[in-house]
Amino acid sequence: QSVLTQPPSASGTPGQRVTISCSGSSSNIGRGTVNWYQQVPGTAPKLLIYRDSQRPSGVPDRFSGSKSGPSASLAISGLQSEDEADYYCAAWDASLNRYVFGTGTKVTVL
Amino acid sequence: EVQLVESGGGLVQPGGSLRLSCTASGFTFRTYWMNWVRQAPGKGLEWVANINQDGSDKTFVDSVKGRFTMSRDNAKNSLYLQMNSLRAEDTAIYYCVRDLSGGSCHWGQGILVTVSS
Repeated sequence: QSVLTQPPSASGTPGQRVTISCSGSSSNIGRGTVNWYQQVPGTAPKLLIYRDSQRPSGVPDRFSGSKSGPSASLAISGLQSEDEADYYCAAWDASLNRYVFGTGTKVTVL
Repeated sequence: EVQLVESGGGLVQPGGSLRLSCTASGFTFRTYWMNWVRQAPGKGLEWVANINQDGSDKTFVDSVKGRFTMSRDNAKNSLYLQMNSLRAEDTAIYYCVRDLSGGSCHWGQGILVTVSS
């Protein structure tokens, strides 16, 4: 039902780089900005990236966001054990007139 | 410190009603758009509704239109979600969220709503 598609899982060893894709359309990602949220199991989500590539204060620069047309990506470089979490992209959809979240990607640190 | 504290959740029978509250502190509540986002057990995030700074503009996801209403009291730094005609599929953790799509985004800790007989 989600209009933003993410891979269900991603993994890497400590220190590796992991990339998560988020595929949308011209009515959401292709039209506006993307936010990324991190949710550690059992806790509330928190903002990780806003306006496609901006990091809030306190978010390590290991996390970076990018966007090209109707798709966006989140990269985690120098993967750490505390990065194990679910990651969601999100954007406003002008056709549906609602905020839409991605399907979510579970990141595992091997 | 920015804080959003939800309350009012619990167990309710199908067809029943519940009113969630969100009390804000640590920021100027009246200057922000506010949102409700929910997460069904073991599922992903779903945006439910938002409201503008003075409460004059509200938008809802289709699945709750006509059943849920949203309001705010800026004098009390509070946000509300009135949920009527509740269904089993409304069972979720409900989060109060400030500035969901912006750089000032902040989430409450969430409150569980369970709809079951």
